[in-house]
Amino acid sequence: DAGVTQSPTHLIKTRGQHVTLRCSPISGHKSVSWYQQVLGQGPQFIFQYYEKEERGRGNFPDRFSARQFPNYSSELNVNALLLGDSALYLCASSTDLGQPQHFGDGTRLSIL
Amino acid sequence: QKEVEQNSGPLSVPEGAIASLNCTYSDRVSQSFFWYRQYSGKSPELIMSIYSNGDKEDGRFTAQLNKASQYVSLLIRDSQPSDSATYLCAVNKDYGQNFVFGPGTRLSVLP
Repeated sequence: DAGVTQSPTHLIKTRGQHVTLRCSPISGHKSVSWYQQVLGQGPQFIFQYYEKEERGRGNFPDRFSARQFPNYSSELNVNALLLGDSALYLCASSTDLGQPQHFGDGTRLSIL
Repeated sequence: QKEVEQNSGPLSVPEGAIASLNCTYSDRVSQSFFWYRQYSGKSPELIMSIYSNGDKEDGRFTAQLNKASQYVSLLIRDSQPSDSATYLCAVNKDYGQNFVFGPGTRLSVLP
């Protein structure tokens, strides 16, 4: 079975631009979460979606938004990119809230 | 006080030894606890989950949970150089929502 898939793998943007990151969960998983990980730190929670509804939001500015589609895939959008948004963005899926989360390979975003 | 704390390391152990990784958390209502392994440049990989007090064993790995002390640990027996990675502790708050990760402990297993 396919694991969590994320696209693109790498992305280079400039300050002020907008970016959309995509995630497809493991088949049968209804919950998708997004994390930001900078070098040397643990993943920081951004959003969690379950059955297409937002169920959790981390301490990130309103420039960050997300949604989950009927097929349980998800998008993370970031507007007005800042240099500090450079990070590895991880998507994780789970069968249900509170269950173990399985991570995709991530999207490495670089802001110039 | 940070929500989930881990020693950043590096923790160095010789091959074949037991590696002991520790994690403390601040929120008493936390319900479930997870250990992830992350190799450099890769994404986190789930190793163990534990939900009730006591020990849980899976192969060379043993997770230990003490909710009264707000403490969870991971023991790796017969450590191998391939175990060299960063180990992340994650705590699930809010009865199902919001995983909170610690900063990770870097483990180095020396041949």
